[in-house]
Amino acid sequence: SAVISQKPSRDICQRGTSLTIQCQVDSQVTMMFWYRQQPGQSLTLIATANQGSEATYESGFVIDKFPISRPNLTFSTLTVSNMSPEDSSIYLCSVGQGNPEAFFGQGTRLTVV
Amino acid sequence: GEDVEQSLFLSVREGDSSVINCTYTDSSSTYLYWYKQEPGAGLQLLTYIFSNMDMKQDQRLTVLLNKKDKHLSLRIADTQTGDSAIYFCAESFSMDTGRRALTFGSGTRLQVQP
Repeated sequence: SAVISQKPSRDICQRGTSLTIQCQVDSQVTMMFWYRQQPGQSLTLIATANQGSEATYESGFVIDKFPISRPNLTFSTLTVSNMSPEDSSIYLCSVGQGNPEAFFGQGTRLTVV
Repeated sequence: GEDVEQSLFLSVREGDSSVINCTYTDSSSTYLYWYKQEPGAGLQLLTYIFSNMDMKQDQRLTVLLNKKDKHLSLRIADTQTGDSAIYFCAESFSMDTGRRALTFGSGTRLQVQP
């Protein structure tokens, strides 16, 4: 199984600011996924991050709002830009490559005030 | 698009069996998953089943898959208070070769009463 570490685990941010969330995996993976879990809701895929190419965003999510970096095969960042209270969510990083297991980090709980 | 549905809440007594149900729509799903989320925690992968199987058992957990009806269930035997959590059903969908992301159900909150 993959061990996924996310930083920060939680943060409280002022509206209008940006937060960058880091995701570190203990093994090399081709694809990393970023999900959002709004309060009391299920998980929604934001984007897929491949090393060496631009991230692919799902409907309703755009690069200007959620820029993603993927500098190598073990690391990715998701930035939540120009935050508003509606961005308050848990953001989760996930990996799943080839084999069926799909693992998640512990999540970053973001509160925007 | 893909859609995964679950009942929102289930309450059982400690020692009883719990059965959490899920329906999905994407017949091309390769794998179906069950995750557990405890309060304030991330997602823990409990088990998964390949779409050409109809049952998988892992200790106290039994997964049943009815592919014809697109119905998935998770049975927890001898449910304990530590099993209280939200359980998410998820199906995989492939976008490009090797790229597999998940569509999640709304989650079922399992409450285990002592």
